[in-house]
Amino acid sequence: AQKITQTQPGMFVQEKEAVTLDCTYDTSDPSYGLFWYKQPSSGEMIFLIYQGSYDQQNATEGRYSLNFQKARKSANLVISASQLGDSAMYFCAMRETNTGNQFYFGTGTSLTVIP
Amino acid sequence: NAGVTQTPKFQVLKTGQSMTLQCAQDMNHEYMSWYRQDPGMGLRLIHYSVGAGITDQGEVPNGYNVSRSTTEDFPLRLLSAAPSQTSVYFCASHSGGPTGELFFGEGSRLTVL
Repeated sequence: AQKITQTQPGMFVQEKEAVTLDCTYDTSDPSYGLFWYKQPSSGEMIFLIYQGSYDQQNATEGRYSLNFQKARKSANLVISASQLGDSAMYFCAMRETNTGNQFYFGTGTSLTVIP
Repeated sequence: NAGVTQTPKFQVLKTGQSMTLQCAQDMNHEYMSWYRQDPGMGLRLIHYSVGAGITDQGEVPNGYNVSRSTTEDFPLRLLSAAPSQTSVYFCASHSGGPTGELFFGEGSRLTVL
């Protein structure tokens, strides 16, 4: 079974609008971390935001927030006030403690911001 | 502030050739790993290491070899390159702490003809 599932291969959003990128995960480990990375067309991987499994509040970093619904095992990324520079691939990832702190990645969502 | 450095950035090989992708980190991270990225498949773990002298296989280890003789270095060896190994390779490291994110190198684009 897939550890991380991203069901949206491609998304479009109007500039200045908010967009939600979906991510669901599968783990039986009570201790895990959830991460989002951005990969622009230049290819580098940029860390955006982190949510721990024991965190009570949703993580926020500037225009990025993580909508963490633990019971549903979802960790959606919300980007507010989209900018043209937000056009990129976005990867959701999970780190499990009981598998040697390995990271598992989803297949990614390609976001295009339309002017 | 180098972080994770991997070389080369681009390489073209012929089928059957061998090569080594170099990776070094200067953050004293215990954990290092190699991923390959293919269109539509995300990042898949090839090999990883939890410390010097310790390595283990990831999801797609066949055709690759690794060693970890020092904390800093984690080279990836392609023993006999095949066209199926055409991909973008990322080396990454992390501290293993509860909030430790994964730090990536810039990636290496490998083409096997």
